[in-house]
Amino acid sequence: DIQMTQSPASLSASLGETVTIECRASEDIYNGLAWYQQKPGKSPQLLIYNANSLHTGVPSRFSGSGSGTQYSLKINSLQSEDVASYFCQQYYNYPPLTFGSGTKLEIK
Amino acid sequence: QVQLQQSGAELAKPGTSVKLSCKASGYTFTSYYIYWVKQRPGQGLEWIGYIYPGNGGTYYSEKFKGKATFTADTSSSTAYMLLGSLTPEDSAYYFCARSLTTVVVFDYWGQGVMVTVSS
Repeated sequence: DIQMTQSPASLSASLGETVTIECRASEDIYNGLAWYQQKPGKSPQLLIYNANSLHTGVPSRFSGSGSGTQYSLKINSLQSEDVASYFCQQYYNYPPLTFGSGTKLEIK
Repeated sequence: QVQLQQSGAELAKPGTSVKLSCKASGYTFTSYYIYWVKQRPGQGLEWIGYIYPGNGGTYYSEKFKGKATFTADTSSSTAYMLLGSLTPEDSAYYFCARSLTTVVVFDYWGQGVMVTVSS
């Protein structure tokens, strides 16, 4: 199974700042990576798939990049509504699907 | 619009079973896989497996073989997951989800159901 290592585990940033969250796969996943946002008490919501494709309705301040084993999610101009946990998921080598351990984003 | 409506919270005793439901609406139920995901409070996400209501085919992650059993009722567009031989480690939120047709990423999720296993 492919292991996904996500960092940092938590992050505190100021409104308007740019933040980056990273995921490293244990082997090449050929851009088979998605990012989700999960607000407290809610189900996850898809942000990005295919490493850099923005899902319908997701604000353009979210972007994904990367290749091989290294991927990142960038949030530009941080807003208060971005307070959430963020998870990566690989689907290149499936089954099984595997997720990163998550990043909790707070406002400073 | 696509919706996945899950059943309410469950409190169960160790050694018993619970059956969770996920009612789909707004799309053709038999044309999409339904996936199940586990999340312990404050923790990450674990993929349990899937059922394809079109033919009843199922797949279970190795860890959940013997723990989870998926079924689907096409007449009511409802997917079910039976969790058996419950232990406190099964206490978690359980989500059902639907995937995009092109890649296995989840564009619609149920609201989740909390299962608490306690004597």
